[in-house]
Amino acid sequence: AQSVTQLDSQVPVFEEAPVELRCNYSSSVSVYLFWYVQYPNQGLQLLLKYLSGSTLVKGINGFEAEFNKSQTSFHLRKPSVHISDTAEYFCAVSSTGANNLFFGTGTRLTVIP
Amino acid sequence: DADVTQTPRNRITKTGKRIMLECSQTKGHDRMYWYRQDPGLGLRLIYYSFDVKDINKGEISDGYSVSRQAQAKFSLSLESAIPNQTALYFCATSEGTLGRGELFFGEGSRLTVL
Repeated sequence: AQSVTQLDSQVPVFEEAPVELRCNYSSSVSVYLFWYVQYPNQGLQLLLKYLSGSTLVKGINGFEAEFNKSQTSFHLRKPSVHISDTAEYFCAVSSTGANNLFFGTGTRLTVIP
Repeated sequence: DADVTQTPRNRITKTGKRIMLECSQTKGHDRMYWYRQDPGLGLRLIYYSFDVKDINKGEISDGYSVSRQAQAKFSLSLESAIPNQTALYFCATSEGTLGRGELFFGEGSRLTVL
């Protein structure tokens, strides 16, 4: 079985400050990991994904995430956030041939002016 | 225009009523999905379809049914709506298996069952 845990349900941060959104996964097989972002009143869109190779993955809008197999983590980071980054962020996990993505419960990032 | 379009975007109904949520896509993907989003629970898979003749239950299919009318159309029905089906529903598509691929979401249909 696969699952993800997002440790923080809400993260407030001041504009231009760095942010880290935490995600830990559980799986008995090799995993693929994803971060999706949901802006207000919109559907989710892919921010970045880890399939294999380099453990540091860069995504859109200046976000990056690092796959850490020993820590079973895939934390999302941005060195300097903008007001427009205010959104809900979902970590998700799947595996080879999977028919489903298992989503975490989401982290609401609020950027404070 | 959006690649994945859901109608209606908002619906309020009463317990016991039949409700249909519709989804159409222009991405040309074979695979389509219905998810439900609840606050604090994330997204959960209701049904998925690989083509018009291949429909599969997801994690939480009880109380729901689906119909894949064409490659581009996938509808979700609540035969007799109940209040705990109040949620935000998303249709999504993918080009291949989700193991390596990406989901493309519609903007959601907010359903309230009174």
